[in-house]
Amino acid sequence: DAGVTQSPTHLIKTRGQQVTLRCSPKSGHDTVSWYQQALGQGPQFIFQYYEEEERQRGNFPDRFSGHQFPNYSSELNVNALLLGDSALYLCASRPQGSYGYTFGSGTRLTVV
Amino acid sequence: AQSVTQLDSHVSVSEGTPVLLRCNYSSSYSPSLFWYVQHPNKGLQLLLKYTSAATLVKGINGFEAEFKKSETSFHLTKPSAHMSDAAEYFCVVSGQAGTALIFGKGTTLSVSS
Repeated sequence: DAGVTQSPTHLIKTRGQQVTLRCSPKSGHDTVSWYQQALGQGPQFIFQYYEEEERQRGNFPDRFSGHQFPNYSSELNVNALLLGDSALYLCASRPQGSYGYTFGSGTRLTVV
Repeated sequence: AQSVTQLDSHVSVSEGTPVLLRCNYSSSYSPSLFWYVQHPNKGLQLLLKYTSAATLVKGINGFEAEFKKSETSFHLTKPSAHMSDAAEYFCVVSGQAGTALIFGKGTTLSVSS
């Protein structure tokens, strides 16, 4: 049973560019959340998707947007990249109403 | 508002000795609390969770934590450390099921032989 799958694993982008990160949730999970983990810090909540709608959002600017598809997979888009956006981006999935989050291994984004 | 404070940024123990990682929480209502572990270049793995049932929670790999409301604490313990326990540990708080997880800054556990 595959867990949460994220792609790509590593990415290097230039300031001002746009990036799209992808997440396939664990089988049976319909809710997807995204977290940003800066170096040496704990993950910070970006937003959560359920039934293809953004249900909750953390303290991140509008440059961060997302999407959830009918098959529950999700994308995280970041526009106008800043050096400070360099981080590990983690996707977590769970069944709706459950505390049982499963995390992916993340995408390491480096902005130069 | 909810938050967690991990009281130690780095803990060093010898193999075979007890482990104690300390966490205090703040929550305006009954919280759900978790401990996650992160090994280098790996995702986060759930060690254990408290969701208003028994206050002493047993997790995987011999870890356990006790929820103490009077002290607003949720410390993680293990009787005997293994080399494989060396990793980053995060204390996490959440409200109702489905709300965002709020992570502490993490505690790095080092285990020496």
